Amino acid sequence: GENVEQHPSTLSVQEGDSAVIKCTYSDSASNYFPWYKQELGKRPQLIIDIRSNVGEKKDQRIAVTLNKTAKHFSLHITETQPEDSAVYFCAASIISGAGSYQLTFGKGTKLSVIP
Amino acid sequence: DVKVTQSSRYLVKRTGEKVFLECVQDMDHENMFWYRQDPGLGLRLIYFSYDVKMKEKGDIPEGYSVSREKKERFSLILESASTNQTSMYLCASSQTGGGTDTQYFGPGTRLTVL
Repeated sequence: GENVEQHPSTLSVQEGDSAVIKCTYSDSASNYFPWYKQELGKRPQLIIDIRSNVGEKKDQRIAVTLNKTAKHFSLHITETQPEDSAVYFCAASIISGAGSYQLTFGKGTKLSVIP
Repeated sequence: DVKVTQSSRYLVKRTGEKVFLECVQDMDHENMFWYRQDPGLGLRLIYFSYDVKMKEKGDIPEGYSVSREKKERFSLILESASTNQTSMYLCASSQTGGGTDTQYFGPGTRLTVL
């Protein structure tokens, strides 16, 4: 089955700096890569996702890049703010025409943005 | 907005008790999932269901069972609770097709087994 490795497990940055979280996956058939953000005491929520037919996707201050050959993808957060402090999870899945069923998650990165 | 609710936010049970955790979603999603979340281990899939009365084992099904009698409801059952099942349990649901696989999570149930 799929295996997703996520690094680093913790990350501290100064407010305004950039943060990068990296994930690798093992199943070359995986074609859908979402990122979830979980604030303290709250439920995980999707913040951005990317499919294997594109190499990069941006949404305001966050971006995700995908390298299919190397089987890794990364989350980039620019101009970090205190409200970006949370645990971030990457995940991988195979989406078929009928829809995929399960995501395999990384172990999470705790991001702390220091004011 | 998709709404996923779980029956309890906090639950304390004794070793050997039978425990039921319930999850309800209101968006007519086909897929429902149960995860447990432990520090440093991320989200691990216990069971999932892609249709009423259908279930599939996830990565850590031992000691758990599930029931899905209605589309909107997915129950996780601990037949005989043990202390190593103390954890945060998260339910999620997703739609089939539509080009997306966004999973919508419930608020979680923190289960303590004494």
